[in-house]
Amino acid sequence: AQSVTQPDIHITVSEGASLELRCNYSYGATPYLFWYVQSPGQGLQLLLKYFSGDTLVQGIKGFEAEFKRSQSSFNLRKPSVHWSDAAEYFCAFYRGSGTYKYIFGTGTRLKVLA
Amino acid sequence: DTGVSQNPRHKITKRGQNVTFRCDPISEHNRLYWYRQTLGQGPEFLTYFQNEAQLEKSRLLSDRFSAERPKGSFSTLEIQRTEQGDSAMYLCASSITQGENTEAFFGQGTRLTVV
Repeated sequence: AQSVTQPDIHITVSEGASLELRCNYSYGATPYLFWYVQSPGQGLQLLLKYFSGDTLVQGIKGFEAEFKRSQSSFNLRKPSVHWSDAAEYFCAFYRGSGTYKYIFGTGTRLKVLA
Repeated sequence: DTGVSQNPRHKITKRGQNVTFRCDPISEHNRLYWYRQTLGQGPEFLTYFQNEAQLEKSRLLSDRFSAERPKGSFSTLEIQRTEQGDSAMYLCASSITQGENTEAFFGQGTRLTVV
């Protein structure tokens, strides 16, 4: 089955600490991968995307993600977290053929301690 | 263009009533998606359109749900005979077909509460 797994439901980090949010996907080929962020009561904002090429992709707000085909992973990282990064983060993939929908993980809620 | 617009932002309705939501996508985007999101969950796919054609519907979309995109621009999602289980955030997204290089832009959502 095609799916996205975000194993960490909640993560708490101190402001200034580094962050890594995990994402694993299940799909027979290389999908198109995304990370979105959602603040409470709001829609989703795209942080970054991977389609092909360099497996380390840079996004907005200082985030980056690394695609690892061998591990079917697309983990999101930030070297120094800011209090404003507290939000819910969703990993998603998009099938490029046959069906054109985005499949989301269940999300990781990030709490930042001052 | 200010992005994907959804109206209303909030809707409270009594069980059994019908509700309709509207989504205005980014103007040049030919694909439009509806997702539903419940508390603590990721968005779940409901349906999508390419131009005015509804190309796929999820099994989640019961016969009480209907979506239209009459002229390939804005879209409406109607829920008939609402049930408490329909309470959720309904998200609309749009994208443009550029080969396979695409990303979806989401609206702010419509939060539905069925009482």
